[in-house]
Amino acid sequence: SAVISQKPSRDICQRGTSLTIQCQVDSQVTMMFWYRQQPGQSLTLIATANQGSEATYESGFVIDKFPISRPNLTFSTLTVSNMSPEDSSIYLCSVEAQAVNTEAFFGQGTRLTVV
Amino acid sequence: GQNIDQPTEMTATEGAIVQINCTYQTSGFNGLFWYQQHAGEAPTFLSYNVLDGLEEKGRFSSFLSRSKGYSYLLLKELQMKDSASYLCVCYSGTYKYIFGTGTRLKVLA
Repeated sequence: SAVISQKPSRDICQRGTSLTIQCQVDSQVTMMFWYRQQPGQSLTLIATANQGSEATYESGFVIDKFPISRPNLTFSTLTVSNMSPEDSSIYLCSVEAQAVNTEAFFGQGTRLTVV
Repeated sequence: GQNIDQPTEMTATEGAIVQINCTYQTSGFNGLFWYQQHAGEAPTFLSYNVLDGLEEKGRFSSFLSRSKGYSYLLLKELQMKDSASYLCVCYSGTYKYIFGTGTRLKVLA
């Protein structure tokens, strides 16, 4: 199993500012994923981060709004830029297990409130 | 298209059995997961089915029928701590997970 440390766990931010969320894994993983979970909804994949290359963004998400870094095999950051109240969500970092059952492991999430 | 349907909310009594159903239509299917998510917390893995049939793990069991695009999660001997959302998640391969909207289960004393 993989242990994922994500921080901050929660933050309240002013609109127009940016927040960077960090995700640290206790083992080397090829792929890291960033999800958003808006209130009352399920998880939506924002992007996939592969070490050494640009992140791959899902439809509806762009690099200017959600820049991602992946400097090594155990760490990634997601920045939520120029925030608005609509960005208030839980943001989750995830990795896929290096095993047959391909179970995904999640960080504890960052609860973001934009005021 | 991609579609996962599960009930929005269910209520059950402590000590009872509850079955949470999930139907899915996905382009590509390599397995189905059930995750538990308590309010304000990250999802945690409960079960994984890739072949048809029942997988039992303690108080929790999960069933899959690939031909019917159907799965259920069975929770026995319900406890108050089982009050949470239960997410049905299809794995379509190539690191693609498709999440259902979750079933919010309330366990009453």
